[in-house]
Amino acid sequence: GAVVSQHPSRVICKSGTSVKIECRSLDFQATTMFWYRQFPKQSLMLMATSNEGSKATYEQGVEKDKFLINHASLTLSTLTVTSAHPEDSSFYICSGSRGVNSPLHFGNGTRLTVT
Amino acid sequence: QKEVEQDPGPLSVPEGAIVSLNCTYSNSAFQYFMWYRQYSRKGPELLMYTYSSGNKEDGRFTAQVDKSSKYISLFIRDSQPSDSATYLCAQREEYGNKLVFGAGTILRVKS
Repeated sequence: GAVVSQHPSRVICKSGTSVKIECRSLDFQATTMFWYRQFPKQSLMLMATSNEGSKATYEQGVEKDKFLINHASLTLSTLTVTSAHPEDSSFYICSGSRGVNSPLHFGNGTRLTVT
Repeated sequence: QKEVEQDPGPLSVPEGAIVSLNCTYSNSAFQYFMWYRQYSRKGPELLMYTYSSGNKEDGRFTAQVDKSSKYISLFIRDSQPSDSATYLCAQREEYGNKLVFGAGTILRVKS
């Protein structure tokens, strides 16, 4: 199967600080990775599409300067939440696929709590 | 109208029951259909992946896609308490790379 590893699984930070979340495809190369946000008892909300070697594409309403995405290699994408505020507290999940006609595989998510 | 409609439940069934989970969608361009299972505080896990209309079976799970009525189903046979989770349907267009998710159905299998 396709394995996506996400780290850290949980992080607590203070308001105003930045947090970096890593997403790695362990057994496949992911040209494209996706970052989602999930609120309690709600479905996944796509934040941005991360393309290796180019700028990420952000969904409407997602602040690109707040949620910095870097996809420096075919196996690693990172999401940095800058100047975090309590309203940024959420469950962040990344995903990747082997190719255009392949399904998405998800990491186990990162629970961010901003105090 | 939402692109994908899915009853959030919760759906409670006794152990051993056959479970039927469903989604309806409005975008006729969807060609790829998926079902994911998500346990609490975990990422979604791919259960079934189908292309266009038809049935697909994998162990206790059967996925059905009826594109004419824009209706997809996931059946779980001999349900177990370990099947208790949220089940998300997801759809994608032929040449698109974005998934459109349903709201997810909470399933509770009681022993």
